[in-house]
Amino acid sequence: RKEVEQDPGPFNVPEGATVAFNCTYSNSASQSFFWYRQDCRKEPKLLMSVYSSGNEDGRFTAQLNRASQYISLLIRDSKLSDSATYLCVARGDGGSQGNLIFGKGTKLSVKP
Amino acid sequence: NAGVMQNPRHLVRRRGQEARLRCSPMKGHSHVYWYRQLPEEGLKFMVYLQKENIIDESGMPKERFSAEFPKEGPSILRIQQVVRGDSAAYFCASSLQPHGETQYFGPGTRLLVL
Repeated sequence: RKEVEQDPGPFNVPEGATVAFNCTYSNSASQSFFWYRQDCRKEPKLLMSVYSSGNEDGRFTAQLNRASQYISLLIRDSKLSDSATYLCVARGDGGSQGNLIFGKGTKLSVKP
Repeated sequence: NAGVMQNPRHLVRRRGQEARLRCSPMKGHSHVYWYRQLPEEGLKFMVYLQKENIIDESGMPKERFSAEFPKEGPSILRIQQVVRGDSAAYFCASSLQPHGETQYFGPGTRLLVL
């Protein structure tokens, strides 16, 4: 079982749509989780951290369910510029805390 | 403030040659992380270094790969006797705090082995 699993997509949605991505992780000891965004042939960029209480940043909402080891990202009112690959990330635990564990990413394409 | 810098951005090597990838962290950051992204794959952690120390090298292949972060100068990821399977994007990240939660990524070096 992969440490962080995501649906690879692609998700093809019209502008203005709401889209949700899900992710599961296998290590129950992981403490920190993130969503990164990666544009084609570019570096990953931190989108937001994910907390159990849920957190919102503008059109983006992230949620963590520790009991189910499940992370979600909701994007409302999609823009063309949201087209990218979204990476679900868990931080390693113990001696591997410097180690970010990336999912393979979910590709989003927002069409006019 | 300059972000994380990596060079070269693109590197072409023939099988058997050596590849040296350089990473300069963000100003003030003394923690550096290297990741590799194979085509159509997610990023995989390779190594975490602090100035003059390797903190975690659990993701480094056992042979041909080495990394350093000297007291002065950039961090270097060195791949000896490259093979076609080494072709990938190599990303460096840096953080202010140890075992940093917030890691800032450089633009990557794309290595192509012919």
